[in-house]
Amino acid sequence: EAGVAQSPRYKIIEKRQSVAFWCNPISGHATLYWYQQILGQGPKLLIQFQNNGVVDDSQLPKDRFSAERLKGVDSTLKIQPAKLEDSAVYLCASSLGTGGGQYFGPGTRLLVL
Amino acid sequence: EDQVTQSPEALRLQEGESSSLNCSYTVSGLRGLFWYRQDPGKGPEFLFTLYSAGEEKEKERLKATLTKKESFLHITAPKPEDSATYLCAVQAGNNNDMRFGAGTRLTVKP
Repeated sequence: EAGVAQSPRYKIIEKRQSVAFWCNPISGHATLYWYQQILGQGPKLLIQFQNNGVVDDSQLPKDRFSAERLKGVDSTLKIQPAKLEDSAVYLCASSLGTGGGQYFGPGTRLLVL
Repeated sequence: EDQVTQSPEALRLQEGESSSLNCSYTVSGLRGLFWYRQDPGKGPEFLFTLYSAGEEKEKERLKATLTKKESFLHITAPKPEDSATYLCAVQAGNNNDMRFGAGTRLTVKP
């Protein structure tokens, strides 16, 4: 069974530029999550989708971050414009439902200069 | 506010030296407590889910236990390949949010 796929794996941009990340979840998983993990910390949930609807985006900085999951399968997370403090690993995860264990992708490492 | 605290921050063991990692939590209405393993440069790997106090789960050299206030991850006779960061997370109440602790970085020396 294929795992969660993410791209790109690494991205370096300058502050105020835009960046987008892509995630393809495990086939059949209805729930998709985007997390931000800053070095030395645990992941922090940014947004959760159930199929193509948003379940929780309470911690998403909506002035600069946006995410979509148009067909209920893959998803994109965008940052526009980026700030220095956005440097982190962005993890995508999926699960069958809203409870239970989540399966994570390898992450995208973003460095904002 | 829901809180998850892991201790110690870092732990160095000799191969074969058993020990335990702690995850203490303060939440309203625990729905599940999760343990993950994270290797450098990779995403977290799901290990266990515990739902109620007294529950235990085992996988190879790892055993997770749960009380009303904390969970322990016991590592029996660890090997160097067990070296990783171990993350604890909780889901509580009606909130679907999975709140993670900062992790324990485990190093097992041969």
